[in-house]
Amino acid sequence: DAKTTQPTSMDCAEGRAANLPCNHSTISGNEYVYWYRQIHSQGPQYIIHGLKNNETNEMASLIITEDRKSSTLILPHATLRDTAVYYCIVRAGGSGGYALNFGKGTSLLVTP
Amino acid sequence: DSGVTQTPKHLITATGQRVTLRCSPRSGDLSVYWYQQSLDQGLQFLIQYYNGEERAKGNILERFSAQQFPDLHSELNLSSLELGDSALYFCASSVVPFGRLTGNTIYFGEGSWLTVV
Repeated sequence: DAKTTQPTSMDCAEGRAANLPCNHSTISGNEYVYWYRQIHSQGPQYIIHGLKNNETNEMASLIITEDRKSSTLILPHATLRDTAVYYCIVRAGGSGGYALNFGKGTSLLVTP
Repeated sequence: DSGVTQTPKHLITATGQRVTLRCSPRSGDLSVYWYQQSLDQGLQFLIQYYNGEERAKGNILERFSAQQFPDLHSELNLSSLELGDSALYFCASSVVPFGRLTGNTIYFGEGSWLTVV
């Protein structure tokens, strides 16, 4: 699986957009980009994933660069409840389900 | 609520003992995953089952074992417990059919806190 690099921590003001970057310069053509988050000691929560195209759902947007070497997770209007550790994971597509390997992630602090 | 149910939520036991953690996956999910999260190791994948069969192994110790039953619930058995086994144990599940090379959305339960004293 491709290695990912994320900043250790970030701050964001409440109500502003939170833009979380992830570098995955060795990504292969069949590898998906996943984002999960973990609010303190709760179970990790799925946010979004994508292969090549930008994706948007009710939680966030995922912007993947054209060369696929980096991506950005955007929380459009951050709230205090978005304070969490955000994990960017790259993993090849598969059949029958496959585990995701979590790194250290980015600790996002949303401030009033 | 992810739909993945784990019991017990908290467990305190002594070194050398054996415990069983239980997981009910989301309705319809055939894959079950177990993860361990300790303070110094982060979130570590232990083992995966698919429709009752072991599918993948991660950093699971020989003292640990798991199984998935015909009704798809899973149990993680931890034996000869050591202080270092104190951690949050997460179960997760997903549904990805065989025959399609596709993405995999994994849904996690709220975890079982294990404290070994």
